[in-house]
Amino acid sequence: DTAVSQTPKYLVTQMGNDKSIKCEQNLGHDTMYWYKQDSKKFLKIMFSYNNKELIINETVPNRFSPKSPDKAHLNLHINSLELGDSAVYFCASSQAPGNEQFFGPGTRLTVL
Amino acid sequence: AQSVTQLGSHVSVSEGALVLLRCNYSSSVPPYLFWYVQYPNQGLQLLLKYTTGATLVKGINGFEAEFKKSETSFHLTKPSAHMSDAAEYFCAVIGGYQKVTFGTGTKLQVIP
Repeated sequence: DTAVSQTPKYLVTQMGNDKSIKCEQNLGHDTMYWYKQDSKKFLKIMFSYNNKELIINETVPNRFSPKSPDKAHLNLHINSLELGDSAVYFCASSQAPGNEQFFGPGTRLTVL
Repeated sequence: AQSVTQLGSHVSVSEGALVLLRCNYSSSVPPYLFWYVQYPNQGLQLLLKYTTGATLVKGINGFEAEFKKSETSFHLTKPSAHMSDAAEYFCAVIGGYQKVTFGTGTKLQVIP
């Protein structure tokens, strides 16, 4: 069973479009995260939710909006996609803030 | 503020040789420290972690790391490199506000 899953695995789209990436964890964790990994492998945290409440909101354009319908899901919606949004986006979860994180397989977003 | 510095973005070792990946951190509070490994086209996987207690921690795949407070270091070692160890390795620190900061990663190449 996949612990942290993301869909889609690949996403190719045109500039200006709106897209969503979905994340689900079946570990019973309270905390979930979104990370962006650029072409140089630099990993940057974007958002973190604990018990469906936003606890970390890094300097991310307003075009990015996370949504947590329940503790097991954290989706990422991106409006008006730009070329610079091309990256691999990872979802992760942990039992609580500050605990080890379990990562999903990533979603490779390519904006043309 | 907390930070992580990984010395050497690329490290090459011969198969069977010692692996040493360096990580230095800064934190205003006693840190939790982690090493993650990322294989190509995959998410991050936890190798080992230090929270409290014994400063030498052992992880999966024969890796270990030692927390040295006086040197603010948490270097990752493995006595004998295997071809399957070739991957990207990330050091991470959780300090104040339970926020995680990742290093910029070290790509390990194992030469047959």
